Amino acid sequence: QVTLKESGPGILQPSHTLSLTCSFSGFSLSTYGMGVSWIRQPSGKGLEWLASIWWNGNTYNNPSLKSRLTVSKDTSNNQAFLKVTSVDTADTATYYCAHTHGWYLLPYYFDYWGQGVMVTVSS
Amino acid sequence: DVQMTQSPSYLAASPGESVFISCKASKSISNYLAWYQQKPGEANKLLIYSGSTLQSGTPSRFSGSGSGTDFTLTIRNLEPEDFAVYYCQQYYEKPLTFGSGTKLEIK
Repeated sequence: QVTLKESGPGILQPSHTLSLTCSFSGFSLSTYGMGVSWIRQPSGKGLEWLASIWWNGNTYNNPSLKSRLTVSKDTSNNQAFLKVTSVDTADTATYYCAHTHGWYLLPYYFDYWGQGVMVTVSS
Repeated sequence: DVQMTQSPSYLAASPGESVFISCKASKSISNYLAWYQQKPGEANKLLIYSGSTLQSGTPSRFSGSGSGTDFTLTIRNLEPEDFAVYYCQQYYEKPLTFGSGTKLEIK
């Protein structure tokens, strides 16, 4: 059974760096073909794909956030991480991690999701 | 980026009825389309991928159709647990993009 759970700071100040953790079970990010993605959703709005990381360490980022995103993983502890630098109020959202189905390291769709963690950027 | 336009944004229906949710892509995406269900307090659920393939566990009253730029999610014989928000998502090219959602409410 695949489960994922996000954790984060809850609230942080503008210009700071957001660090999120996705703790998962039911699969290993060291296994061929496995991937985890991050998606966010501002309150009352739609979903935005942010980034994906694969079992071999390859990553894909959404160009709209340019170089602000860093995804990484800790295979031994079944965790994936997302860092977002220089946050502002527009980064206020619920952040989800999701097990990702893909093909040749390209993320396709998300077959298991965490429940999300709410992040507020405010001074 | 591929823009995904969903309609309607809001839909009211009664249990037992059938509903149709449209998703249009700004360019052809073949059948690289997924549908998700979102309910408060629950993890988002993948319903359909490849335009029409039901994810394991998705009830058969859900179906997906279309290819190219026009897609439809059909829910037949609505059950109370189907009232939720539905999103389409394309994975034909990066960045992956979602529709704006359709909220299905009980009439």
